[in-house]
Amino acid sequence: DSGVTQTPKHLITATGQRVTLRCSPRSGDLSVYWYQQSLDQGLQFLIQYYNGEERAKGNILERFSAQQFPDLHSELNLSSLELGDSALYFCASSRGGVETEAFFGQGTRLTVV
Amino acid sequence: AQTVTQSQPEMSVQEAETVTLSCTYDTSESDYYLFWYKQPPSRQMILVIRQEAYKQQNATENRFSVNFQKAAKSFSLKISDSQLGDAAMYFCAYRSATTQGGSEKLVFGKGMKLTVNP
Repeated sequence: DSGVTQTPKHLITATGQRVTLRCSPRSGDLSVYWYQQSLDQGLQFLIQYYNGEERAKGNILERFSAQQFPDLHSELNLSSLELGDSALYFCASSRGGVETEAFFGQGTRLTVV
Repeated sequence: AQTVTQSQPEMSVQEAETVTLSCTYDTSESDYYLFWYKQPPSRQMILVIRQEAYKQQNATENRFSVNFQKAAKSFSLKISDSQLGDAAMYFCAYRSATTQGGSEKLVFGKGMKLTVNP
């Protein structure tokens, strides 16, 4: 158990819908990262938050947004869902700083039908 | 931008044998970290081993060791005495050691599926 909790584990929804994925980082970790794992794109970095502030953006679509709350949990919002958004979405957390290890949650499997 | 390449999509090894997984990367930076992650069927991403680019000594963790060739930008993982539980997807990853731009993101290779035969 990495200490990073993601909910839900599985999510099935229809095209055009909006969903929210939740991540609780390890106790004491200030950084949260979101990654998308799909068969064609592999593992891609989406966005990073550090202590409530956005720190870096990767290949995140405009239909996707995220935030980190004062209690440090994070949510990834995916809207106007398309079939191609079906993927495994990982959250990872770390203390912050390049020398620190990132711990991954078990992921949320999103299926868009 | 940094890239990570794992050219072998699949490999198999006999239980108790040794297998080497290859990874190459491209970067213009001199200071960075390299990682191998394991993803078993449970889909949890598990850190196997990490290497700091400024260290000449290759990292080892029990049965896992790396061969880090900085000039060649090569970072291979050797698994000794392979066990059935080693069967998984293995991902090579890169992280910059500079905080310029603020990102501590990991850049992953496409992964390689390792099968362990009894």
